[in-house]
Amino acid sequence: AQSVTQLGSHVSVSEGALVLLRCNYSSSVPPYLFWYVQYPNQGLQLLLKYTTGATLVKGINGFEAEFKKSETSFHLTKPSAHMSDAAEYFCAVSDRGTSGSRLTFGEGTQLTVNP
Amino acid sequence: DGGITQSPKYLFRKEGQNVTLSCEQNLNHDAMYWYRQDPGQGLRLIYYSQIVNDFQKGDIAEGYSVSREKKESFPLTVTSAQKNPTAFYLCASSIRRGWAYEQYFGPGTRLTVT
Repeated sequence: AQSVTQLGSHVSVSEGALVLLRCNYSSSVPPYLFWYVQYPNQGLQLLLKYTTGATLVKGINGFEAEFKKSETSFHLTKPSAHMSDAAEYFCAVSDRGTSGSRLTFGEGTQLTVNP
Repeated sequence: DGGITQSPKYLFRKEGQNVTLSCEQNLNHDAMYWYRQDPGQGLRLIYYSQIVNDFQKGDIAEGYSVSREKKESFPLTVTSAQKNPTAFYLCASSIRRGWAYEQYFGPGTRLTVT
């Protein structure tokens, strides 16, 4: 079964600093990978996804993520944090097979941005 | 505007009562999902439906029921058998892009049972 681990339930950065949110997956076959963002009391919004092709994926709001098969990782980064980036971030994976419509989510990382 | 609507935003019920959460989408997506979110536990899949008149249990289906009579609608009933129903409930629908499915989420319903 797929599983996703997000290292660090809380990450705090200063405004303008690098944002790095970690995600590792466990799967014998590289899955499809997603990052979602959730603002308080709202639904989730898709930030970016990796399915095939280029391993460095660019998303909305200046975020990007790199798929590293050798490390089974899909870490999310942003060069310069903005106050509006404060939210909870979820990494998710889905199978490449017929059950690919199901997502398995990590437990989330709460990002705080300090002025 | 296309999207997913969930109503109501906040819902309060007494213990022992069944309650139905609404989810409607006008995105013409075939698949729909219900998740439960609790602090520190991420999202857990309750039920999902890939086509009208068909649905499958997710990881935590006990105490919940669903129906999928129309493509646009996927209501979730939280029954009195659900031991700990207070949570934030999220509905989603998905579209296949290439080989992968992208899920889109509604704004959620916060259910409080006392």
